[in-house]
Amino acid sequence: NAGVTQTPKFQVLKTGQSMTLQCAQDMNHNSMYWYRQDPGMGLRLIYYSASEGTTDKGEVPNGYNVSRLNKREFSLRLESAAPSQTSVYFCASSEGWGATPPYEQYFGPGTRLTVT
Amino acid sequence: GQQVMQIPQYQHVQEGEDFTTYCNSSTTLSNIQWYKQRPGGHPVFLIQLVKSGEVKKQKRLTFQFGEAKKNSSLHITATQTTDVGTYFCALDPHSGAGSYQLTFGKGTKLSVIP
Repeated sequence: NAGVTQTPKFQVLKTGQSMTLQCAQDMNHNSMYWYRQDPGMGLRLIYYSASEGTTDKGEVPNGYNVSRLNKREFSLRLESAAPSQTSVYFCASSEGWGATPPYEQYFGPGTRLTVT
Repeated sequence: GQQVMQIPQYQHVQEGEDFTTYCNSSTTLSNIQWYKQRPGGHPVFLIQLVKSGEVKKQKRLTFQFGEAKKNSSLHITATQTTDVGTYFCALDPHSGAGSYQLTFGKGTKLSVIP
């Protein structure tokens, strides 16, 4: 099993460009998450999908959109990139609905995004 | 939603010394999780604590959940260079109401001097 995979691993964008970060998990998990990590700020939740067909805003959703394409895939879109969106982006998944605790989250390797 | 304060932000220790990081909340927590992130890597789940006063051990790592369920600690005995990384606590911001979200502390970055 690959676990959680993310593409691309690195990306450089110019201000105003758009892009989609892809995430897939092969653990049959119900819930998926997108985080950003900035120095000294820990991990902040952007959006999450508690189950297939639902998405909800997290702590820092502005400037982002998400799509839960199916149970395996959860993508994050930047419509008009800004320098403030320079960060490391992590996708994660957990069993979520109907699972037995702990609801541990499994993280992908991350995407390092620079917006110039 | 619930917030958590994690201290210290940085810790430098000599190899063989002990290390402790703390997470504190102003409200009662339903549970708390701990993650480790190696430099350049991604967070990896270590453990979850649920019960008041709970203590769990993983080799040289000891995790505690406070009696009032408002604080937690991670203690590493006799640190090794393999312990280098950032340690995060994480909690359910909606107090166990089944949101399946996590709010992460800002982490404690551990450096080990050989």
